[in-house]
Amino acid sequence: GENVEQHPSTLSVQEGDSAVIKCTYSDSASNYFPWYKQELGKRPQLIIDIRSNVGEKKDQRIAVTLNKTAKHFSLHITETQPEDSAVYFCAASMLTGKLIFGQGTTLQVKP
Amino acid sequence: DAGVIQSPRHEVTEMGQEVTLRCKPISGHNSLFWYRQTMMRGLELLIYFNNNVPIDDSGMPEDRFSAKMPNASFSTLKIQPSEPRDSAVYFCASSQGQGYGYTFGSGTRLTVV
Repeated sequence: GENVEQHPSTLSVQEGDSAVIKCTYSDSASNYFPWYKQELGKRPQLIIDIRSNVGEKKDQRIAVTLNKTAKHFSLHITETQPEDSAVYFCAASMLTGKLIFGQGTTLQVKP
Repeated sequence: DAGVIQSPRHEVTEMGQEVTLRCKPISGHNSLFWYRQTMMRGLELLIYFNNNVPIDDSGMPEDRFSAKMPNASFSTLKIQPSEPRDSAVYFCASSQGQGYGYTFGSGTRLTVV
C-alpha cells in the first residue's frame, strides 16, 4: 500500500553543523514531494518541495534531493541554527492529490 | 489571503457530548483534508474532499466521526458521541490539487474529559 518511511526519528546536531533527513516512498507514480516544518504548538508549514522531473532544489540553507529510481528523497539543512529546531515531515503525493506523510523527525539544534 | 481558517482553536468537552469542528479553506483551493495529530500516531488523514465530494474516508476511525463539505468554502468534522481517546489536535488543510502542497489551518485542540 501507500507508505512513506522517514529516518531518523530524532536528530541532534550542534549549531553550525549540517542535518540530513531521509525518506523513501512506495508508490512509483508519486511525482511531488513536499517537506513541512512544525514548531511546537504550531501548524505544519511547507518549507520546500520538489517535483519528479527535478533531481535537486535549493533554497538558501535548505536543499532537497530526489532519486526516483531508488524512490528516495532527502532534506539537507546546512549551517543549522537553534531556530531550525522543530519536527520535520516529508510527504509524497498520490495521483489523487492526497499526500502520504512520513512519521516525522524531531531535530534539535544545540547552541 | 487569510489562509485556512479553523474554529474553535480549543475545545474542552465532556465524554458523550457532540463536537463540531469547522474549516474554511483558501479560496480557489479545490481539495480539503482533515487530519488528526497525536504524539502516538503522528499525522493521520481522516478524510479528504475534491470539489466538495468526499473521495476517501477510510481514515475515519468509526461511525462516531462524520464530515461534510456543503460548499467550496466550508467543511465540518463532527464527533458524536465524543470519547477521551478522541483528544488530539485536528488540522484542516487545503490545496489546489494534485502536485501542490497543502496549507494547514492553525488546528483545533480537542480535549474530551
